[in-house]
Amino acid sequence: GEDVEQSLFLSVREGDSSVINCTYTDSSSTYLYWYKQEPGAGLQLLTYIFSNMDMKQDQRLTVLLNKKDKHLSLRIADTQTGDSAIYFCAESLTGKLIFGQGTTLQVKP
Amino acid sequence: NAGVTQTPKFQVLKTGQSMTLQCAQDMNHNSMYWYRQDPGMGLRLIYYSASEGTTDKGEVPNGYNVSRLNKREFSLRLESAAPSQTSVYFCASSDRTGALTYGYTFGSGTRLTVV
Repeated sequence: GEDVEQSLFLSVREGDSSVINCTYTDSSSTYLYWYKQEPGAGLQLLTYIFSNMDMKQDQRLTVLLNKKDKHLSLRIADTQTGDSAIYFCAESLTGKLIFGQGTTLQVKP
Repeated sequence: NAGVTQTPKFQVLKTGQSMTLQCAQDMNHNSMYWYRQDPGMGLRLIYYSASEGTTDKGEVPNGYNVSRLNKREFSLRLESAAPSQTSVYFCASSDRTGALTYGYTFGSGTRLTVV
């Protein structure tokens, strides 16, 4: 079945690294995504990874993919207060995106 | 460069009233989607339109109807609103239905309250 799971909340101190985890169930997903939602706004694509990759780095963001365990993570280095938001992982399946519940990241000064 | 535009941004309805949520995109995307977002439940797909002239049910279609008016516009209609439909509704579009290289572009949402 289609199911994407995330923990609901993460709190870190400014300057620390944040790691947001996600598990998915469908091994045929071609792409996996991370979206960011700021308060009162829609979702913005943060980064994505193709299913044949293990890692993707983009400035402060590192995405790790473990296909065997169907585990996806997003690491934010040097977390800033502006990173406070809800982060959604999503898998692509038959032309549709299936989203996790979202992880609220709280960054304390 | 507007992207995906949703109207209205806020709406309060009484139980049993009807309304249509509007969505338009200016990116020449083929596929459009309607999601609802509820606390702790993420985004759930209501309906989608893979291409102009086609619509399909998603995970939670009951109580909703959609119309793909043309390539740009995809509307969501609540015929008889219920309190359980209080939610934030997002419209999204994408350029391909097969390989979703760039994911979706989202609108800013419609916050609907049914009393």
